[in-house]
Amino acid sequence: QQQVKQSPQSLIVQKGGIPIINCAYENTAFDYFPWYQQFPGKGPALLIAIRPDVSEKKEGRFTISFNKSAKQFSLHIMDSQPGDSATYFCAASGMDSSYKLIFGSGTRLLVRP
Amino acid sequence: DAGVIQSPRHEVTEMGQEVTLRCKPISGHNSLFWYRQTMMRGLELLIYFNNNVPIDDSGMPEDRFSAKMPNASFSTLKIQPSEPRDSAVYFCASSLIAGETQYFGPGTRLLVL
Repeated sequence: QQQVKQSPQSLIVQKGGIPIINCAYENTAFDYFPWYQQFPGKGPALLIAIRPDVSEKKEGRFTISFNKSAKQFSLHIMDSQPGDSATYFCAASGMDSSYKLIFGSGTRLLVRP
Repeated sequence: DAGVIQSPRHEVTEMGQEVTLRCKPISGHNSLFWYRQTMMRGLELLIYFNNNVPIDDSGMPEDRFSAKMPNASFSTLKIQPSEPRDSAVYFCASSLIAGETQYFGPGTRLLVL
């Protein structure tokens, strides 16, 4: 019940395409859903996050869509660029242990020029 | 702001040796986390400190692992004795308070031969 399932494992798109990464969870106590971006040799860095009171959040070219009833959330990258090539992790945490991020398995994204 | 600082960045050791990883959190942050990242298990929380006190060490694999935070600006993760299966990237992260954005360090890549 603590798992966060992420798909796909890897994704290749052309520059300008819109990669979509999906995550699903079971624990209805989760109330915070961040996405982290990790470049090779670096630590993960927060990209964007959402709470269940909204269905969508946009920051620049990055959008999170959230479906509370389906217990799913996804990351969309508009007008993707080669510099977006990285590994993306979804995560979740709950009110009862807000410090404890449960991470998905990661999606390796390659944006071709 | 220097961000989270970890040392060493790379460590190669032989099975049975003691390994000590070091972390300096962002100044003013009162929450500190140690994570381990492997291909098989992804990103796992090992231990969480709040105000220098260990709050959740349920992720520490076994007694060979120990972590300390003697003051607000320094933490160590020790493995004694090390085993080949401990080979991974170990990240330290800090946040202003629990539940807020976690900022990750660059990681220590550990290889146990």
